[in-house]
Amino acid sequence: ILNVEQSPQSLHVQEGDSTNFTCSFPSSNFYALHWYRWETAKSPEALFVMTLNGDEKKKGRISATLNTKEGYSYLYIKGSQPEDSATYLCASFYSNYQLIWGAGTKLIIKP
Amino acid sequence: KAGVTQTPRYLIKTRGQQVTLSCSPISGHRSVSWYQQTPGQGLQFLFEYFSETQRNKGNFPGRFSGRQFSNSRSEMNVSTLELGDSALYLCASSPMTTQETQYFGPGTRLLVL
Repeated sequence: ILNVEQSPQSLHVQEGDSTNFTCSFPSSNFYALHWYRWETAKSPEALFVMTLNGDEKKKGRISATLNTKEGYSYLYIKGSQPEDSATYLCASFYSNYQLIWGAGTKLIIKP
Repeated sequence: KAGVTQTPRYLIKTRGQQVTLSCSPISGHRSVSWYQQTPGQGLQFLFEYFSETQRNKGNFPGRFSGRQFSNSRSEMNVSTLELGDSALYLCASSPMTTQETQYFGPGTRLLVL
């Protein structure tokens, strides 16, 4: 059974600080890695989809990197703002068309 | 382009009843996936449909079923409802496969009494 793990489970960060969290996934038959932001009372919203080893993507203050050989991805948030408070989900796609989701990292920004 | 729509948005049922939820994907999207979210849990994958065929299935009992129509609209059915089925049910669409960005609908919140 394929398992995608995210750490930490939750994180409290002071406003203005930078932070990062991890998504670990099985690298065999890997095709793509997704990151989503899920705010309370809203639906998950896509941040990035990455496929190649060494990929780096950036959207404003948020960036992500991908290492397909060792099976991990990092999500970085620079200068955290209250609106960054959300659960961040990663999901990994495989050659059998399965998209496996992690349990998420809940980020709380303290003003 | 209109986003993913789900109906109804809220639903209250009693144990033993059955329920059907509907999802209309973004126009042109052919892959539709269904997810369950219960309090304290992440997204639990139910199934994915493409071209009216179930392509993948999660680890849910047979009471959970779905189908997809030729216009890519999808329905999910839960029979013999249990209290534990109370959850937010999300559907997501993508052009062809779940390798591509998933676009989520607003969800249907089901309460089973």
